[in-house]
Amino acid sequence: DARVTQTPRHKVTEMGQEVTMRCQPILGHNTVFWYRQTMMQGLELLAYFRNRAPLDDSGMPKDRFSAEMPDATLATLKIQPSEPRDSAVYFCASGSIGTAYEQYFGPGTRLTVT
Amino acid sequence: AQSVTQLDSQVPVFEEAPVELRCNYSSSVSVYLFWYVQYPNQGLQLLLKYLSGSTLVKGINGFEAEFNKSQTSFHLRKPSVHISDTAEYFCAVTIQGAQKLVFGQGTRLTINP
Repeated sequence: DARVTQTPRHKVTEMGQEVTMRCQPILGHNTVFWYRQTMMQGLELLAYFRNRAPLDDSGMPKDRFSAEMPDATLATLKIQPSEPRDSAVYFCASGSIGTAYEQYFGPGTRLTVT
Repeated sequence: AQSVTQLDSQVPVFEEAPVELRCNYSSSVSVYLFWYVQYPNQGLQLLLKYLSGSTLVKGINGFEAEFNKSQTSFHLRKPSVHISDTAEYFCAVTIQGAQKLVFGQGTRLTINP
């Protein structure tokens, strides 16, 4: 049963610390998405990649957030320095044209910045 | 740009009653439409999608949705709900040829015994 995996599932950190979240997309999927979910803003697209190249990161605060795909099996989202307003659940999703536009979501990383 | 409006933030219903969750979209070009479900502390899971063809789409867990182009709507229905359907439901849209989804704000479905 192919699934998107995300680590860590939970992260509590202090303001100013660096946070790295990791995502392993489903093997064969060539598109990876990063979302942030909060009660106030709902589900927001932060960035997405196709064939490891960034296509759109307009939803991401550029001064502190960065997203990369070092290889086809790993996507990372970093926050440096973290702030309390970054507290949210961060989801990774993967897909491909072959899946008829369906996005498969991971279980999320719940980030709390104190 | 596309947008999605889910008209109800919360919908309480009794078990075994029918339910309809409303979704309207805005787009100047042809779209693909989706409904996702999020159970507590989990990621989103696809319920159903409309890409083309029949405007009545059937999904998992007994849900169905009807695409109405003239009313720019894609409402989700189930004839008889169960306690296990308690979750948040998201409507989403993308334009044909793209993969980037735009999500609505979600509708929280609560089933009362």
